[in-house]
Amino acid sequence: DAKTTQPPSMDCAEGRAANLPCNHSTISGNEYVYWYRQIHSQGPQYIIHGLKNNETNEMASLIITEDRKSSTLILPHATLRDTAVYYCIVRVVGYSTLTFGKGTMLLVSP
Amino acid sequence: GAVVSQHPSRVICKSGTSVKIECRSLDFQATTMFWYRQFPKKSLMLMATSNEGSKATYEQGVEKDKFLINHASLTLSTLTVTSAHPEDSSFYICSARRPGDSYNEQFFGPGTRLTVL
Repeated sequence: DAKTTQPPSMDCAEGRAANLPCNHSTISGNEYVYWYRQIHSQGPQYIIHGLKNNETNEMASLIITEDRKSSTLILPHATLRDTAVYYCIVRVVGYSTLTFGKGTMLLVSP
Repeated sequence: GAVVSQHPSRVICKSGTSVKIECRSLDFQATTMFWYRQFPKKSLMLMATSNEGSKATYEQGVEKDKFLINHASLTLSTLTVTSAHPEDSSFYICSARRPGDSYNEQFFGPGTRLTVL
């Protein structure tokens, strides 16, 4: 079973920030938080990952709470092309396997 | 970023036939590749882990004699669905890991849609 809990769906208006939450209350000290997304009928795409500090790249920002029991993926200016299923995954670095949960279906509307 | 391709992108076959799906890492050598299966409106399920030059490691419940995996080179892994049946219809996705990547990142292919009639 996946070790994360995400809302099944979220809506966001185009141009607004999309904030996708993830609960991982049983995360271990050596586990990272990874985010992937899957656009319909495509393979998953890596977005970002972090351990305990907030991270930002060209796609998104990742905010991890101090107790590391939850995190939020932020798409600062959502576009229609960001409509996808977003997966939050916790994983030990050095361990290859990814376990996908059900994810959050983000629908960005005009 | 690293590029992984799959071929074919979609295939339709008759029940009882075998289908081969190719997964290639285009700009890096992948010592480890992974095969996933995704049923409609479901999440990805790992089927097997494939290491170059050795036998694949299958997840529990995945029939190794039905889903033959060959990873004969550092840039190519193949999944053969033998004696396919309608219940094997699914979206098959591969991913590849780039050696030396400190975070063991996986790069995914675009997927292959298999429909068995």
